[in-house]
Amino acid sequence: GDSVTQMEGPVTLSEEAFLTINCTYTATGYPSLFWYVQYPGEGLQLLLKATKADDKGSNKGFEATYRKETTSFHLEKGSVQVSDSAVYFCALSMNTGNQFYFGTGTSLTVIP
Amino acid sequence: DGGITQSPKYLFRKEGQNVTLSCEQNLNHDAMYWYRQDPGQGLRLIYYSQIVNDFQKGDIAEGYSVSREKKESFPLTVTSAQKNPTAFYLCASRQRGGRAPGELFFGEGSRLTVL
Repeated sequence: GDSVTQMEGPVTLSEEAFLTINCTYTATGYPSLFWYVQYPGEGLQLLLKATKADDKGSNKGFEATYRKETTSFHLEKGSVQVSDSAVYFCALSMNTGNQFYFGTGTSLTVIP
Repeated sequence: DGGITQSPKYLFRKEGQNVTLSCEQNLNHDAMYWYRQDPGQGLRLIYYSQIVNDFQKGDIAEGYSVSREKKESFPLTVTSAQKNPTAFYLCASRQRGGRAPGELFFGEGSRLTVL
């Protein structure tokens, strides 16, 4: 079935370090891919998305490119800040489906 | 501002009691969802609804019930049959249709603790 596998955490980085959180997917068709962020005690917020192969989603300095050949959607940021500390979820939804499939989340802590 | 409102934010329940979590959206979205989140785990789908007066079970529906009498409302009842109800509950909605699935919009969540 359709699923998402993302890098396990927790991840701890120093401020201004480079961030990569890996995400790979399994899908029978052509999914849309998403990254969500969750701050402590809050709901999830959409960070970025891509709806077709080779699309790049970007927001707030974060980027992810939809790679069909490697079935991946890795999240990157060139220079993290303390305020980026949160849990990040990769997700997919099939273009003809009703459901979203989430990864287990990766906790990021950025230290000054 | 459009959004999803969940209430209450915190709820305590004694064993054997049913509780209902409210979810209201003013985004005019057709589809609504309930997820459960446990510490260190991802989101697990409880129920979802694509249209008024219709809903489907998700992966962990046992011990839960829902209704969808109005487009904007999708309350979740946690019944006494749910063995381990202590968790963080998230309601979400999205617009259907179009060439690609719309993203999910989430509420702030409701934290239920069974005493």
